[in-house]
Amino acid sequence: QLQLQGSGPGLVKPSETLSLTCSVSGDSVSSTSDYWGWIRQSPGKGLEWIGSVSYFGHTYYNPSLKSRITISVDTSKKGFSLQLSSVTAADTALYYCVRHATVTHPHFDSWGQGTLVTVSS
Amino acid sequence: SYELTQPPSVSVSPGQTATITCSGDKLGDKYASWYQVKSGQSPALVIYQDTKRPSGIPERFSGSNSGNTATLSISGTQAMDEADYYCQAWDNYNVVFGGGTKLTVL
Repeated sequence: QLQLQGSGPGLVKPSETLSLTCSVSGDSVSSTSDYWGWIRQSPGKGLEWIGSVSYFGHTYYNPSLKSRITISVDTSKKGFSLQLSSVTAADTALYYCVRHATVTHPHFDSWGQGTLVTVSS
Repeated sequence: SYELTQPPSVSVSPGQTATITCSGDKLGDKYASWYQVKSGQSPALVIYQDTKRPSGIPERFSGSNSGNTATLSISGTQAMDEADYYCQAWDNYNVVFGGGTKLTVL
């Protein structure tokens, strides 16, 4: 059974880069049919898709965040990562790593436990 | 940019049918998915491709999508169904979520 485990610093300073990783077990991040992504939920707010990546490295980003995002797959480490640059307090959120099977009309059938990231000096 | 609109809250009595709507321009031409978010837990997919239920989701959860509105219905609502529910669709390589609906089982 697929399990996703996100990890990373819980506190990031304003203007710095947020870096999170997601370890994949029970499935292979090298699967050519799967996509791996990140979704966040700010305190008291709704869900926001950040972006996704395929095994081949094709990336798909939320247009509103695109200029600050890098998502990549690390097949040797059996996981994938998120980098979000120039963070502000508005980036404080619970960050989920997710899996989906299609790039068009996706639905997210597996979710990690969530990693809380606070942006504060 | 594409937007999905949900009512902020819906209340239902135990055993009754809860109906949560999600509105968007020509949403019926896209696939809608629904997620359940219970307090302190990760979201869980309950409906995908408008009407399909993932393995393990009770039959009381059903979905429909036509015109500008997708609907999540929960028949025989139970106390355990109390949660936030989000609809989601895809538009031009962008994933969009609705603002969420808090379902209260009174």
